[in-house]
Amino acid sequence: QKEVEQNSGPLSVPEGAIASLNCTYSDRGSQSFFWYRQYSGKSPELIMFIYSNGDKEDGRFTAQLNKASQYVSLLIRDSQPSDSATYLCAVNESWGKLQFGAGTQVVVTP
Amino acid sequence: GAGVSQSPSNKVTEKGKDVELRCDPISGHTALYWYRQSLGQGLEFLIYFQGNSAPDKSGLPSDRFSAERTGGSVSTLTIQRTQQEDSAVYLCASSYGTELLNGYTFGSGTRLTVV
Repeated sequence: QKEVEQNSGPLSVPEGAIASLNCTYSDRGSQSFFWYRQYSGKSPELIMFIYSNGDKEDGRFTAQLNKASQYVSLLIRDSQPSDSATYLCAVNESWGKLQFGAGTQVVVTP
Repeated sequence: GAGVSQSPSNKVTEKGKDVELRCDPISGHTALYWYRQSLGQGLEFLIYFQGNSAPDKSGLPSDRFSAERTGGSVSTLTIQRTQQEDSAVYLCASSYGTELLNGYTFGSGTRLTVV
């Protein structure tokens, strides 16, 4: 059973601080990794994807990938109340199919 | 279309009835996926269509669930003899091919409530 694991949270982060979210996956053959944000009652929206080991930055978001450790993370810098949401890690399980983690709820407190 | 369109947005049905959920993917997207999300849970893969290939049905939870995709575009997910455990949000997504260079784009979902 291929698995994608995330801490469910909630992760409470003061406004302006860095939120750090972690995700581990079991399938060593996975090649692409995605972070989705899901607001309550809404559908997931893609915020980051990463294929290569190392860091990838996009605005206030940084994705980090370590394939040897089967670990992908998301950093949110200068956290804002609008970042309060559930963040879903997704891994390309097989050609075209994503397996999602259960999500980490982030709460940014003013 | 500009986005993935799903209908209806909400559906309340009686236990034992059949329901049909519709998904209209982004124009030009060749891959279409169905997932469901139960309250407070992650996304559970159901089925995936890619072009004219046979669909990957490996996630369908029982033979009460079926899906088809007509003309490589619109898809319908059918649940027969609905049960209360079928209550969930059913999400459709599409992508351009299976390379997933930009991940999936999700529709707004159909919230199914079986009473």
